[in-house]
Amino acid sequence: AQKITQTQPGMFVQEKEAVTLDCTYDTSDPSYGLFWYKQPSSGEMIFLIYQGSYDQQNATEGRYSLNFQKARKSANLVISASQLGDSAMYFCAMRESDGSEKLVFGKGTKLTVNP
Amino acid sequence: KAGVTQTPRYLIKTRGQQVTLSCSPISGHRSVSWYQQTPGQGLQFLFEYFSETQRNKGNFPGRFSGRQFSNSRSEMNVSTLELGDSALYLCASTVGRGQETQYFGPGTRLLVL
Repeated sequence: AQKITQTQPGMFVQEKEAVTLDCTYDTSDPSYGLFWYKQPSSGEMIFLIYQGSYDQQNATEGRYSLNFQKARKSANLVISASQLGDSAMYFCAMRESDGSEKLVFGKGTKLTVNP
Repeated sequence: KAGVTQTPRYLIKTRGQQVTLSCSPISGHRSVSWYQQTPGQGLQFLFEYFSETQRNKGNFPGRFSGRQFSNSRSEMNVSTLELGDSALYLCASTVGRGQETQYFGPGTRLLVL
C-alpha cells in the first residue's frame, strides 16, 4: 500500500534562510505523482509543487524546489529565502496511476519562520 | 478563473443529525474528491466523483455518502452524526485525467456536539 512519511513534526527557520522539509514515500507503482501543499491556519490547502515519477529534472516553482531522489524514494521540499508568511503546515502527498485522483497524505510538518 | 468553493464554511450540529456539504469545482474540472482532516487521523480520502460516477472510495462507514451533479458540483452527506465526525472537510477538483494538479477549496469546519 502506498505510504507517505514526514518525519519532522515541526521545523524552525530564520527569515531569509533556506529550509528543507523531508518526505519519503513507498509505492510499488512505477508511475506516480508527488505533491507538496501548504496549509495556513485558515485551513485551505495551497498547491506548491508537483513532481512526476518519470520527470527527469527536479521541479521548481519560484522559491520552492523539490529534491527528488527516486532510488531513495524521497521528495524533499526546499524553500529558499524563507518569509514570515511561509509559517504554516506543509503536506507531502502522492497519487498513484490507479485511474483515480486519490491522494495519500503524510502527517505534515509545521514550519515556523522566525524574524 | 474562480477557485473551488465550499459551502457552508462552518457548521455546528448535534449527535444523530445529518449534514450535507457542497463543493463547486473550478470551471471545466470534472473530478471532485473529498477529504476529512482531523488532528488524530490527519488527512483521509473519502471518495472521488468523476462525471457523476463514484470512481474511488476510502475506508469510511456507509454513513458517509456523496454524489455529483451534471454540472460537476458535488455534495457529501453524513447521516447519524457522531462526535468523531467533527473535522475539516476539504474538497478538491481537477480535470480528471490523472495527470493534473488537484486544487482545494477552503474547507467546511464541522463541529458535532
